[in-house]
Amino acid sequence: DAKTTQPPSMDCAEGRAANLPCNHSTISGNEYVYWYRQIHSQGPQYIIHGLKNNETNEMASLIITEDRKSSTLILPHATLRDTAVYYCIVSPRDNYGQNFVFGPGTRLSVLP
Amino acid sequence: KAGVTQTPRYLIKTRGQQVTLSCSPISGHRSVSWYQQTPGQGLQFLFEYFSETQRNKGNFPGRFSGRQFSNSRSEMNVSTLELGDSALYLCASSFPVSRGVLTDTQYFGPGTRLTVL
Repeated sequence: DAKTTQPPSMDCAEGRAANLPCNHSTISGNEYVYWYRQIHSQGPQYIIHGLKNNETNEMASLIITEDRKSSTLILPHATLRDTAVYYCIVSPRDNYGQNFVFGPGTRLSVLP
Repeated sequence: KAGVTQTPRYLIKTRGQQVTLSCSPISGHRSVSWYQQTPGQGLQFLFEYFSETQRNKGNFPGRFSGRQFSNSRSEMNVSTLELGDSALYLCASSFPVSRGVLTDTQYFGPGTRLTVL
């Protein structure tokens, strides 16, 4: 079973920030939080990952709470092309063959 | 740097046949994982290979098998196809953790869409 919980769907207006929450209350100290997204029928696309500090890259920002039990992915200026299913995954630093366990994710719809 | 490539992109087979799917990882990546995605079950892990050895396997029947070659390219095989094997099969590659690489971030290919009639 997935170790994360996400809302099944969210809407966001184009040009506004999209804030996607994820709960991972049983996360271990050596587990990272990863975010991927999947645009219809394509392979999942890596977005960002973090351990305990907030992270930012050209695609998004990741905010992890101090107790690491939840996180938020922020798309600062959502566009129609950001419409996708977003997956939050927790996984150890060194996978050693351990698989990513995907939940159902959050279906984000960016509306014009 | 080229991404993960998978061939073929689309495949149609009939029940009882077998199929082989191919995956070429990102250059320098030595770990290859395979996933099956269906509307009902979502994304499910099939198996993972590293240095030609299967390190982990998901909960799939023995009809699903795979292998990895010395150049890290990987193939998966499904024998005696069933209608329920219709799915998007995804391959992901990653670089083993080292001093310069902090995590096993997986990078996915575009997938092979298999339809079983």
